[in-house]
Amino acid sequence: DVKVTQSSRYLVKRTGEKVFLECVQDMDHENMFWYRQDPGLGLRLIYFSYDVKMKEKGDIPEGYSVSREKKERFSLILESASTNQTSMYLCASSEGSLRYGYTFGSGTRLTVV
Amino acid sequence: DQQVKQNSPSLSVQEGRISILNCDYTNSMFDYFLWYKKYPAEGPTFLISISSIKDKNEDGRFTVFLNKSAKHLSLHIVPSQPGDSAVYFCAASNNNDMRFGAGTRLTVKP
Repeated sequence: DVKVTQSSRYLVKRTGEKVFLECVQDMDHENMFWYRQDPGLGLRLIYFSYDVKMKEKGDIPEGYSVSREKKERFSLILESASTNQTSMYLCASSEGSLRYGYTFGSGTRLTVV
Repeated sequence: DQQVKQNSPSLSVQEGRISILNCDYTNSMFDYFLWYKKYPAEGPTFLISISSIKDKNEDGRFTVFLNKSAKHLSLHIVPSQPGDSAVYFCAASNNNDMRFGAGTRLTVKP
């Protein structure tokens, strides 16, 4: 069974902390994505990557950065966490064809206090 | 700028009846449309997709209809089951740039 694994289900961090959210996929997919989900706003794309060491900004990249040193791993970094970054964060991967959509991880619920 | 809109935040139907979830989009360049289902505390899971060259795709109890002239798609679930209760996201893509709607919470009552 193919999988996208996010390292933490729940995280509580303090304002100003540097936060790392890790995502690993075992499907040898080229493409990986980070979304955040907020009520009434759906899923919004933060960053994506089509290859190792490659990254592209999505719709809401401010306050975030990413790292993709290996094909299977895509990390989201909050350089200095703020309360407006409290959200559900979802990692996804895809092989390129959209016929079967993206495969999502279970999500990380991040609370910044 | 919401290019994909789901105007109904919630929908409640009786078990055995049809559920119809609607989605509108604004970008005529979208070439693939998808529906995802999401249970609480889980990531979205892919449900069904349709290419822009088709107007209908069916998979078991799930059928997606695409009306390109109206920039509208819908998901029909027949018959609805209590296990279908979840949030459903509509998504549209152009060259792997995928946009999601805000979601519709479906409740199927026994």
